[in-house]
Amino acid sequence: EAQVTQNPRYLITVTGKKLTVTCSQNMNHEYMSWYRQDPGLGLRQIYYSMNVEVTDKGDVPEGYKVSRKEKRNFPLILESPSPNQTSLYFCASSLVGDEQFFGPGTRLTVL
Amino acid sequence: GENVEQHPSTLSVQEGDSAVIKCTYSDSASNYFPWYKQELGKGPQLIIDIRSNVGEKKDQRIAVTLNKTAKHFSLHITETQPEDSAVYFCAPDNYGQNFVFGPGTRLSVLP
Repeated sequence: EAQVTQNPRYLITVTGKKLTVTCSQNMNHEYMSWYRQDPGLGLRQIYYSMNVEVTDKGDVPEGYKVSRKEKRNFPLILESPSPNQTSLYFCASSLVGDEQFFGPGTRLTVL
Repeated sequence: GENVEQHPSTLSVQEGDSAVIKCTYSDSASNYFPWYKQELGKGPQLIIDIRSNVGEKKDQRIAVTLNKTAKHFSLHITETQPEDSAVYFCAPDNYGQNFVFGPGTRLSVLP
C-alpha cells in the first residue's frame, strides 16, 4: 500500500530535550516536505527536499533541522525543543509539482 | 514569497446546495493548482487539481476552474452532503518552489 508513515504519532517532551520525528514514504517520490499546523494559521512549510542530499528552508525553519540521506526517509529534528514548537506536524511526499501525499500527523507537546 | 488567500474563511450551506471557495495567489509562475480536503484528525488529501493549460476540470460533484490571468482558481461543490463538511485548502505550486498553502476554508453542510 502506497503511504507516508510518521513516528511517533503523539509525543510529550520537555524543553531542551532533543527529539526526532521520522517520516518514510514507499512511493519513490523525489519531493518530501514537513509542515506544522496551528489553529488559525493553516499549514506552514518548515523544510522541503527536492531529492537526496538536497534540502531547503520553507516559511518557518527556525528551531528545526532535517536531513535526506535516503530517498524514502526525511526525519525532522528538534535539537532543543521549546514550548512554541508545540504543534501538529505533517510529513508529505510527492513527485515534483504533483499531488502531495500526507502522513497521519504527529502531535507534539513541549512542556 | 508566494501570497495565497482563500475566501470565504468559513462557509455554511444547506445540504443539497452548492459551495464555492476561491483561492487567489501572487506567483505568476505557479502551474499546478490543487485543492485538498482535511477531515478532523487526519492529514490533507487531494480532491481535485488542475494544470495551467486547462481552464476547468470536473469530477462528479466537484469542479475546479482556473483564471491564470487574474491569478485565481475556485473549488465548486454541487449537491453538498454532510460528509463534505471539512476544511479545504488550496496550494498553488511552481514545481515545489516557494510552496504555500492557503489559510483554509471551513465548510459546514447543515442537514
